[in-house]
Amino acid sequence: DGGITQSPKYLFRKEGQNVTLSCEQNLNHDAMYWYRQDPGQGLRLIYYSQIVNDFQKGDIAEGYSVSREKKESFPLTVTSAQKNPTAFYLCASSMERGNTEAFFGQGTRLTVV
Amino acid sequence: AQSVAQPEDQVNVAEGNPLTVKCTYSVSGNPYLFWYVQYPNRGLQFLLKYITGDNLVKGSYGFEAEFNKSQTSFHLKKPSALVSDSALYFCAVILRTDSWGKLQFGAGTQVVVTP
Repeated sequence: DGGITQSPKYLFRKEGQNVTLSCEQNLNHDAMYWYRQDPGQGLRLIYYSQIVNDFQKGDIAEGYSVSREKKESFPLTVTSAQKNPTAFYLCASSMERGNTEAFFGQGTRLTVV
Repeated sequence: AQSVAQPEDQVNVAEGNPLTVKCTYSVSGNPYLFWYVQYPNRGLQFLLKYITGDNLVKGSYGFEAEFNKSQTSFHLKKPSALVSDSALYFCAVILRTDSWGKLQFGAGTQVVVTP
């Protein structure tokens, strides 16, 4: 059953903690992305990766970090430097070509407590 | 800079009536255009895309969209709305020169279909 899996679905973080969101895909896609969704603002790109061991900052990368050690995996770490981390986080993947649609995971809702 | 505008925060329609969700874009080149739908607390699902060719694009669940280059629009339409179409709809654009495939999203339009 091919797809893209995010875990956990809900995550709670205390002030000053780092947390890592998991994203795994078995679609054999080259590119992977992390988006942040806030009400009324659409989706904003955090980081993206085209190939293993390479990734680029998106529009709102400050306070976040990523790694791409395997083609299938693209975890996102929300660091304590991210001042407003409460949001819905979406991972996506696509073939490298720009004319192909992206496939999205089910999302992780992160709440700071 | 490229951008996507969805001028309506919410669209209300009665079941069985036509549904239109508006999208306009601003890019310096020729875009690839996409529509996605999101149900509560879920990821986005792809509906349809315009790459090239026929300006009328047909997609999933009976949706279609028309690419209008002169008006820089890509409105989503469905001839007869269902209550199950109630969801959040996003228009997105990729510049053709952008090989990364990074999507630029609009803010989204909430569709409410009443029985």
